[in-house]
Amino acid sequence: DAMVIQNPRYQVTQFGKPVTLSCSQTLNHNVMYWYQQKSSQAPKLLFHYYDKDFNNEADTPDNFQSRRPNTSFCFLDIRSPGLGDAAMYLCATSRERTGGAGANVLTFGAGSRLTVL
Amino acid sequence: AQKITQTQPGMFVQEKEAVTLDCTYDTSDPSYGLFWYKQPSSGEMIFLIYQGSYDQQNATEGRYSLNFQKARKSANLVISASQLGDSAMYFCAMRDITSGTYKYIFGTGTRLKVLA
Repeated sequence: DAMVIQNPRYQVTQFGKPVTLSCSQTLNHNVMYWYQQKSSQAPKLLFHYYDKDFNNEADTPDNFQSRRPNTSFCFLDIRSPGLGDAAMYLCATSRERTGGAGANVLTFGAGSRLTVL
Repeated sequence: AQKITQTQPGMFVQEKEAVTLDCTYDTSDPSYGLFWYKQPSSGEMIFLIYQGSYDQQNATEGRYSLNFQKARKSANLVISASQLGDSAMYFCAMRDITSGTYKYIFGTGTRLKVLA
């Protein structure tokens, strides 16, 4: 089945130790998103790629970086995790066409839960 | 600017009964899409139902229906015949279409508990 896979599902890191979370998709969707979701809160968009075009949210801290080496993969790098970065990180994809008439369904991975000690 | 509001932090419903989860939104874009997602305790966001702003009919998907009232800017989710497996967080989301930003924003969610 076509899907969105996130690894690892659970990541424990120490304060300040860099972390990389990965997302892969077999849907051939051209847009990939990273959301941060803290406990009992709404998912918050960090950034998204439309093909190779990177779109950063204005309030995304510089501590968060992303890479999309090809259509299938996207990475979230947290350069120096703080206690406040402990959260669930959700990767999502959608197929979009420039000037498309509809809003397309976001397909999510299972998430990566980050714990910072 | 887009905004999604879910005013019910938590809801209880008896098994086999119907429940309505509220969602109001605000946008200046004349064309937009509204979504509902379910998030079980495992964390994965599961798509439930979609309503386009120009759709004349309310969307339905099995036991899920969307009560879309455009003038009131509300898009409430109705779950009929609740099941124990429906216990989860439910998020309302929106995306403006005309703006071409490909950004989806989410409400704060409603935690639904189905009672046996």
